[in-house]
Amino acid sequence: GAVVSQHPSRVICKSGTSVKIECRSLDFQATTMFWYRQFPKQSLMLMATSNEGSKATYEQGVEKDKFLINHASLTLSTLTVTSAHPEDSSFYICSASGGGNNEQFFGPGTRLTVL
Amino acid sequence: AQTVTQSQPEMSVQEAETVTLSCTYDTSESNYYLFWYKQPPSRQMILVIRQEAYKQQNATENRFSVNFQKAAKSFSLKISDSQLGDTAMYFCARRSGNTPLVFGKGTRLSVIA
Repeated sequence: GAVVSQHPSRVICKSGTSVKIECRSLDFQATTMFWYRQFPKQSLMLMATSNEGSKATYEQGVEKDKFLINHASLTLSTLTVTSAHPEDSSFYICSASGGGNNEQFFGPGTRLTVL
Repeated sequence: AQTVTQSQPEMSVQEAETVTLSCTYDTSESNYYLFWYKQPPSRQMILVIRQEAYKQQNATENRFSVNFQKAAKSFSLKISDSQLGDTAMYFCARRSGNTPLVFGKGTRLSVIA
């Protein structure tokens, strides 16, 4: 099956700093990648959709200047949380699709803690 | 809004017994896909089963099967011979074309020894 990796798996940072999370499709070309956020005991909330080489499409209420998404290649997308604050602490999950079988493949997630 | 509804926040089942998780959805699309995902404590999302809306036959994957009622927009998951390792959050989801998955709120399943 298709494999999606995320790095780092866990990050702790100070308030005001920026954090970059990488999402890679290891064995397929991901034409579209999705970024989700998940709070404890809740469902996945879509933050944005990115297509390779295009600007990301953000969901309502998600600040595009705070959550910078880059999808520069068919195997890599990055999410940068700029000027992170404690309320940005959450579990971030990326997902990738490609190949035409309508399935989204998920990364293992990144736990962000902002002190 | 095109939503996915899981009406059971929590469920429990005895080991080796059968449990059914319910899911209903709303869509105006004629062609779409339905999924059940499992999220164990590791929080890795694991695909359990998928169903193409144009297929009338219910999907089956070993101990997991679905009851897909297209007219009623219902997509329930049946887990047979429940095992302790089935303890997890289960999310029902729908997708049309290349749009992102729309998830339900999830059902927390506990399998009791």
